[in-house]
Amino acid sequence: AQKVTQAQTEISVVEKEDVTLDCVYETRDTTYYLFWYKQPPSGELVFLIRRNSFDEQNEISGRYSWNFQKSTSSFNFTITASQVVDSAVYFCALSEARAGGTSYGKLTFGQGTILTVHP
Amino acid sequence: DTEVTQTPKHLVMGMTNKKSLKCEQHMGHRAMYWYKQKAKKPPELMFVYSYEKLSINESVPSRFSPECPNSSLLNLHLHALQPEDSALYLCASSQGIQRKLTKNIQYFGAGTRLSVL
Repeated sequence: AQKVTQAQTEISVVEKEDVTLDCVYETRDTTYYLFWYKQPPSGELVFLIRRNSFDEQNEISGRYSWNFQKSTSSFNFTITASQVVDSAVYFCALSEARAGGTSYGKLTFGQGTILTVHP
Repeated sequence: DTEVTQTPKHLVMGMTNKKSLKCEQHMGHRAMYWYKQKAKKPPELMFVYSYEKLSINESVPSRFSPECPNSSLLNLHLHALQPEDSALYLCASSQGIQRKLTKNIQYFGAGTRLSVL
């Protein structure tokens, strides 16, 4: 069984603060993908990043950075110098690739972290 | 372009009504998905279509009837819904569902906010 845990239900910061969103996952598969999505109040889930299980290299994209550690089954997301526009619900998700057949790409989502950035 | 378009944006319907939700993508994707999302919860997968064929039905009640008339369109027909079916319905698409891991980024639409009275 697969599971994604986002222990932080809500985070509130002041603009320009750095903030890290935690994500811990469980899977029996050796091959899988991890994702982060952002859901602003408009409702659309916006794809932010995908990381496969073979690649533990951390990634930086502008103010966003991701730290993937297989040893601790974590895939944390950091926003540097947060802005009001970063206010949204952030979901971490896991997709397994099942050996011997097709992967229907089912995403297992965490419960989400509500991030509020105050001006 | 990673746009998935859903219509309508909002829908209010009675329990005896029949309505349909529409989803469209022009990215050449061959897999399309319906999700249901209740307030303050993550999306829950309902259906997956691959090459216009239903691949997965996550034990969804028959009052929800999906249809994929072509590779760009996905519909969700609604009939005799219950108030507890009120939710945000999200459509997503991806290049495919094959095991090749390069193809399974799901891109989502903005959703249809459904209220059942």
